[in-house]
Amino acid sequence: GAVVSQHPSRVICKSGTSVKIECRSLDFQATTMFWYRQFPKQSLMLMATSNEGSKATYEQGVEKDKFLINHASLTLSTLTVTSAHPEDSSFYICSARGSVADSSEQYFGPGTRLTVT
Amino acid sequence: AQSVTQPDIHITVSEGASLELRCNYSYGATPYLFWYVQSPGQGLQLLLKYFSGDTLVQGIKGFEAEFKRSQSSFNLRKPSVHWSDAAEYFCAVGPPGGYQKVTFGTGTKLQVIP
Repeated sequence: GAVVSQHPSRVICKSGTSVKIECRSLDFQATTMFWYRQFPKQSLMLMATSNEGSKATYEQGVEKDKFLINHASLTLSTLTVTSAHPEDSSFYICSARGSVADSSEQYFGPGTRLTVT
Repeated sequence: AQSVTQPDIHITVSEGASLELRCNYSYGATPYLFWYVQSPGQGLQLLLKYFSGDTLVQGIKGFEAEFKRSQSSFNLRKPSVHWSDAAEYFCAVGPPGGYQKVTFGTGTKLQVIP
C-alpha cells in the first residue's frame, strides 16, 4: 500500500526558534497533502490543504504566517512552525492523496511530536 | 457544516468479547463515512469506508460498520476482540466526491483486558 513518512518523528525546540517538519509520499505521487494537528486526548484538526505547486489553503483560525506550508514537489510537503511557542507543542500529522480523478484515499504519516520549551 | 460525535471516550472490553463503537454524524446529504485506527504515537490507518451501496461495510482486521441513515449513525463492530485491537478509533465524515475536508470525531480509546 501507499506509504507516507514524516521527519522528524520527535523534535524539541526552544521558544522563539523555527522548526521544519517534512512529509513524504514514498511510493506514489501526492497531488494533495493535508496537515493536521492533534492535541492530547482530542481529535485531529485540519490545519491546511496543499496542492503541489500552489499556495496552501488554510483553515479558519490557523495563522498562515506562523505555519508555513510548502508543497514544492509531488512527493514532498513541509510544515515550518515559525517563532514557536510552548502552546504550539502538539502532534502534527500529515496525509497525502493521489489522483483527484478517482477520489483516492488519504494516507496518513506517522506523525511528528513537537515540544517547545 | 459536517460534524461527528463519538459519545464514548473510553471503552473496556474483555478479549474475545464483541465490540461496538458508536458514531453519529451530521451532514446535509449522504456523506462519505470512515473509521480509522490510531495506535499510540502513530498515524491513522483506514479500517473501512462507506460511500454508497450496501449499508454493511466490511473492513480490515475483522471490523465491519453499518450505515443507518435514519439514525445518522455509522457504528463500528467486531465480533471477537483481540488484545492487539487496543488503540484509539476515530470516526470521520467527508463530503461526497472524495477525501477533501474530512472531519474527525474526538475518538474512542479501546482497552482490551485479558
